Amino acid sequence: GQNIDQPTEMTATEGAIVQINCTYQTSGFNGLFWYQQHAGEAPTFLSYNVLDGLEEKGRFSSFLSRSKGYSYLLLKELQMKDSASYLCAVNNAGNNRKLIWGLGTSLAVNP
Amino acid sequence: NAGVMQNPRHLVRRRGQEARLRCSPMKGHSHVYWYRQLPEEGLKFMVYLQKENIIDESGMPKERFSAEFPKEGPSILRIQQVVRGDSAAYFCASSQSGSRTGELFFGEGSRLTVL
Repeated sequence: GQNIDQPTEMTATEGAIVQINCTYQTSGFNGLFWYQQHAGEAPTFLSYNVLDGLEEKGRFSSFLSRSKGYSYLLLKELQMKDSASYLCAVNNAGNNRKLIWGLGTSLAVNP
Repeated sequence: NAGVMQNPRHLVRRRGQEARLRCSPMKGHSHVYWYRQLPEEGLKFMVYLQKENIIDESGMPKERFSAEFPKEGPSILRIQQVVRGDSAAYFCASSQSGSRTGELFFGEGSRLTVL
């Protein structure tokens, strides 16, 4: 079957670094996405990995290991506004954007 | 430059009524996706449409649910004879043909409550 696992909740302190892990088991693989979703709002795109390695974009970085079925999202210099749910999603169907989504990791950033 | 526009943002229906949810994709986007999100559950794919064509409706229940994306106007997700279990947030997303990443741009969602 198709399965994406991420921790349900995480807590971190303002200014710190946090790593959110995602493991996946899917019938195919054509890229992994990270989205951020604030409560009651639309998910917004953060990153995309299709090859192994680290993609860096400002305070956010995302890593992928296809052989391990593993990704992580790294958030540096945490700010209060980073408190949100972080969703991991896998495209397993080629050009069809029929993504399979994890349940999301709810991150609380404390002062 | 408007993003993905969904309306209504909130909709209340009684059991047995019909719900119509509308989605206008971002300018220049020709691909539209509908997802459903329930509390404590992840986003679930429902249907993928291009103008006048349903490309993949494998995530949509066979009965009571239908979707369209006409040549002119917004995409419509229609739920007939709603039941309490249809209460959820319905998100529309659009993407651009030829995008390298296939990044989806989401609307704010339509929250359906069935009484």
